[in-house]
Amino acid sequence: EAGVAQSPRYKIIEKRQSVAFWCNPISGHATLYWYQQILGQGPKLLIQFQNNGVVDDSQLPKDRFSAERLKGVDSTLKIQPAKLEDSAVYLCASSFHGLQETQYFGPGTRLLVL
Amino acid sequence: SQQGEEDPQALSIQEGENATMNCSYKTSINNLQWYRQNSGRGLVHLILIRSNEREKHSGRLRVTLDTSKKSSSLLITASRAADTASYFCATDAGIYNQGGKLIFGQGTELSVKP
Repeated sequence: EAGVAQSPRYKIIEKRQSVAFWCNPISGHATLYWYQQILGQGPKLLIQFQNNGVVDDSQLPKDRFSAERLKGVDSTLKIQPAKLEDSAVYLCASSFHGLQETQYFGPGTRLLVL
Repeated sequence: SQQGEEDPQALSIQEGENATMNCSYKTSINNLQWYRQNSGRGLVHLILIRSNEREKHSGRLRVTLDTSKKSSSLLITASRAADTASYFCATDAGIYNQGGKLIFGQGTELSVKP
C-alpha cells in the first residue's frame, strides 16, 4: 500500500513570497491533517479535513494560511505571504475515518523562509 | 498549550540497554499514542493504548498508562543503534476532542550508541 505522498520535499523562499505544498493521502482515507513542526518541537495541527469538509482549523493562521481538499482526496496548503517564523516542516497525515485511530504521516516538506 | 509533555527531553544510552521515556498529560483522554520520528523524516506510529488499558506490548516496546496520574511510559528493551530517533506521545483531547485531533508533546530525543 502506498504511503502518504508530499511535495516538494524542500523549499527555500524569501519572506513575503508565497508557497504551496501538496499532499496525496493513502487511498481510501477520509481524514487528512496538516501539521506544522518547528525545530525541536512536536507537530502542531493546522487543519483537519473529513472528506472535503473542514473539521478543525482553529490553529490555522487564516490571514496568511489557506488549505483546500477538493474532491476529498489531494490537498494543498498555501502560505501567502510567508514570514520568517513560518520556517518549519509541514507534515501531512491521513487516517481511515479520523476517530481515535492511527495517523499515517508523509515525509514532510521542509520550508526555509529567508 | 501542549497536552503531552515528555521526559526526559534527551536520553543517551548504549546499545543493548533499555530506554524509558515518560509522558504526562493534562486532560482526560480516550487514547494515547506513541510515534517515532527519524531525523528528516515523517512520524511513524508505534503503539496506541486506550484509556481502559494499563499496559500494551509490541515487540521490544512496552507502553503503560496510568490515567489516575495522567501519565504514560514507553520502554524500549535491548535498544539498537537503529532506535536512535525522537519519540513523541500524542493524546486526543478526550470528551473535548472533535474528530480525532491529536496533540503532540515536544518529544524525547533518544541516542543509542553502538
